[in-house]
Amino acid sequence: QVHLVQSGAEVKKPGASVKVSCKVSGYTLTELSMYWVRQAPGKGLEWMGGFDPEDGETIYAQKFQGRVTMTEDTSTDTAYMELSSLRSEDTAVYYCATTNRPLFYGMDVWGQGTTVTVSS
Amino acid sequence: QSVLTQPPSASGTPGQRVTISCSGSSSNIGSNAVNWYQQLPGTAPKLLIYTNNQRPSGVPDRFSGSKSGTSASLAISGLQSEDEADYYCAAWDDSLNGYVFGTGTKVTVL
Repeated sequence: QVHLVQSGAEVKKPGASVKVSCKVSGYTLTELSMYWVRQAPGKGLEWMGGFDPEDGETIYAQKFQGRVTMTEDTSTDTAYMELSSLRSEDTAVYYCATTNRPLFYGMDVWGQGTTVTVSS
Repeated sequence: QSVLTQPPSASGTPGQRVTISCSGSSSNIGSNAVNWYQQLPGTAPKLLIYTNNQRPSGVPDRFSGSKSGTSASLAISGLQSEDEADYYCAAWDDSLNGYVFGTGTKVTVL
């Protein structure tokens, strides 16, 4: 079965960038569609974007367009999410989540989460 | 601010039935499948229901989902203490061209 392991916690200053990794095992990255979801402290889940298998492109939620970049290294089966121009409101747990079916079936495997703290 | 609205909280005693609503619009629930996620305290979310009413392998049949028009519901029958968690509905939104989560409902077992 699929297993996702994310990189460790990060502390960044406002204006900096952060890059979170998500290592896949059990499947190859090319067999999956990877998505990113974040959760601010005490708040709900927020979808950031991910791979659209229908057209082979990455879709970003409108809120994050221009500030987020999601990439994949198929040689290491690792997905990355980079968020730039960080501000305090970006303090959150960032999750990678995946499925090997269309997204309307839901994201059925999740990473353990990576805490990103933005503070001066 | 989410486009899918849920009640902030719901509660019941062990064995009771609890229902959580999820209200959307024609661009999301009205035209796309609904998924439900369970998030136990301090853990990553878990897919609980997919395509409106299907349970992934391993999810107890105490959990059931339904959809009608632009609304969906999650029912937990025979409530157990381990069901105490946050629950989120989610669906694709054609207008936003993105996947949206509900505001979340905290279920408390009294």
